[in-house]
Amino acid sequence: GQNIDQPTEMTATEGAIVQINCTYQTSGFNGLFWYQQHAGEAPTFLSYNVLDGLEEKGRFSSFLSRSKGYSYLLLKELQMKDSASYLCAVMDSNYQLIWGAGTKLIIKP
Amino acid sequence: NAGVTQTPKFRVLKTGQSMTLLCAQDMNHEYMYWYRQDPGMGLRLIHYSVGEGTTAKGEVPDGYNVSRSTTEDFPLRLLSAAPSQTSVYFCASSYHPGGGADTQYFGPGTRLTVL
Repeated sequence: GQNIDQPTEMTATEGAIVQINCTYQTSGFNGLFWYQQHAGEAPTFLSYNVLDGLEEKGRFSSFLSRSKGYSYLLLKELQMKDSASYLCAVMDSNYQLIWGAGTKLIIKP
Repeated sequence: NAGVTQTPKFRVLKTGQSMTLLCAQDMNHEYMYWYRQDPGMGLRLIHYSVGEGTTAKGEVPDGYNVSRSTTEDFPLRLLSAAPSQTSVYFCASSYHPGGGADTQYFGPGTRLTVL
């Protein structure tokens, strides 16, 4: 079966760095996505990885290792507005997104 | 551009009632999707469409119908609502699910409660 695993909840301090991990087992691989979802709102796209390595976008970076079935999202200089759920999703061989349950990130002052 | 719009935002139904959730996009996207989101679970695909006149079943299609008569619109019909269909429903669209810039764009969601 297809499976995406990520921690249910994480807590971090404003101004700090946090790493959210995602491991996956899917039928085929056509890229890995990270989305941000604030409570009561729609998911919004953060990053995309299809090749191994690190992609950096401002305070957010995403890493992929296809051989290990592993990705992480790194958030630097955390701000209170970063309190949200972070969803990991893998595009399988049918070009459908398989979603993890999300990691709720709580930022404390 | 309005992006992806959904109506209604909230709805309460009684068991056995039917309803249609509306979804429209103005980005000329070929692909459209309906997901449901339940606590502790990832988004699950209900139905999707790869272009006008086409529809296909996703992971959890039972109890739902869709149609795609225009590029812009992709309504989701609940035929006879059940409490198990209490959920948040998201519509999404994309040009082509090839990754990169072809990400999925989501509507604001419909929060449905079935009593």
